[in-house]
Amino acid sequence: KNEVEQSPQNLTAQEGEFITINCSYSVGISALHWLQQHPGGGIVSLFMLSSGKKKHGRLIATINIQEKHSSLHITASHPRDSAVYICAAPPYNTDKLIFGTGTRLQVFP
Amino acid sequence: SAVISQKPSRDICQRGTSLTIQCQVDSQVTMMFWYRQQPGQSLTLIATANQGSEATYESGFVIDKFPISRPNLTFSTLTVSNMSPEDSSIYLCSVEGVNTGELFFGEGSRLTVL
Repeated sequence: KNEVEQSPQNLTAQEGEFITINCSYSVGISALHWLQQHPGGGIVSLFMLSSGKKKHGRLIATINIQEKHSSLHITASHPRDSAVYICAAPPYNTDKLIFGTGTRLQVFP
Repeated sequence: SAVISQKPSRDICQRGTSLTIQCQVDSQVTMMFWYRQQPGQSLTLIATANQGSEATYESGFVIDKFPISRPNLTFSTLTVSNMSPEDSSIYLCSVEGVNTGELFFGEGSRLTVL
């Protein structure tokens, strides 16, 4: 069992739909990262959060430390949101990240 | 923030050859991380590169296969040596923002070994 698990693995949506990607972890962490990887391979950091909720444009990330769960929401999804979304977290007292397996999102017009 | 220039962006190589990947950061950082992402998989940490000392390798990765240089606080290279088709992957370098913990990644080097 991975220490960081994501669901779903694959997600297909129509443009405009509200999307939720989930991340659960079993280790103690100080913060959690949401990353976006486009088909070319490059990775962009979307959020780093340790509590509560953050919003950037149409993206919202939430985390519940007690439940060891985080969600990434995309409102009014668009085809350009098509990418792999990855959650990652460093366990306490380490600089090393544990990565989720990623969620491949495809948004169709 | 940090901007990382990574090259090459992609390459096709013959079995048995070696390829060096370069990462240049626009600011000084203490640690640089090298990752491998095999097809359909998530990222796996190869090693952590510190300036002035040898890189720290993760289990399953050895210096002879993946030698790393870190000559200064803004630059690092990863060499994939004696390549085989199993080395076909995306290789990425990454740093953390100073005092922020935010992650920054290079654009990735997509390597195909024939």
